[in-house]
Amino acid sequence: GQQLNQSPQSMFIQEGEDVSMNCTSSSIFNTWLWYKQDPGEGPVLLIALYKAGELTSNGRLTAQFGITRKDSFLNISASIPSDVGIYFCAGRLDYGGSQGNLIFGKGTKLSVKP
Amino acid sequence: DSGVTQTPKHLITATGQRVTLRCSPRSGDLSVYWYQQSLDQGLQFLIQYYNGEERAKGNILERFSAQQFPDLHSELNLSSLELGDSALYFCASSRDRGELFFGEGSRLTVL
Repeated sequence: GQQLNQSPQSMFIQEGEDVSMNCTSSSIFNTWLWYKQDPGEGPVLLIALYKAGELTSNGRLTAQFGITRKDSFLNISASIPSDVGIYFCAGRLDYGGSQGNLIFGKGTKLSVKP
Repeated sequence: DSGVTQTPKHLITATGQRVTLRCSPRSGDLSVYWYQQSLDQGLQFLIQYYNGEERAKGNILERFSAQQFPDLHSELNLSSLELGDSALYFCASSRDRGELFFGEGSRLTVL
């Protein structure tokens, strides 16, 4: 079945650093979504992408829908402590007028450098 | 606040028991999804309903069942509970573009 590879699995950040993470798929998608989950809470939608090549920002967050439609990237600029959490990518292929299933990556865990 | 409401927030029960988790979607959303998240795991899709009808099924065990009622709220029933069923259960709802909005989850602990 469809699989999403999200990397890195985890990373440590120092305040002020830029952060990058990505998702790749063996299949093409026509929707990419990025979510953030804080401990014990539900995932919160950060950015939604609907077109290959699309670049969308939400404050310090920028995400891109890859040209091949098989990947997406999320960048966080000038990280702050509250950026800590787990970031999930999710992709979906809609076809024949119907929405496909949303497939989630396994997440990238952002922690503060000790 | 996503607008999706889940109850209860926490639930502790014993093996072999049965529980029901409840979800109220965002106003106007016809689709409801259920996900399971075990400790340090990703989100496992269980089942989707659209306007009262089952739309898609994921890795949902036979011991689990769900339904969506005419007022669009949904219930996830978990029976013959096992220790491994301990997890966070999330409900999400969506409208036209398919962006999922998640509730805060129900944390189930099976002892």
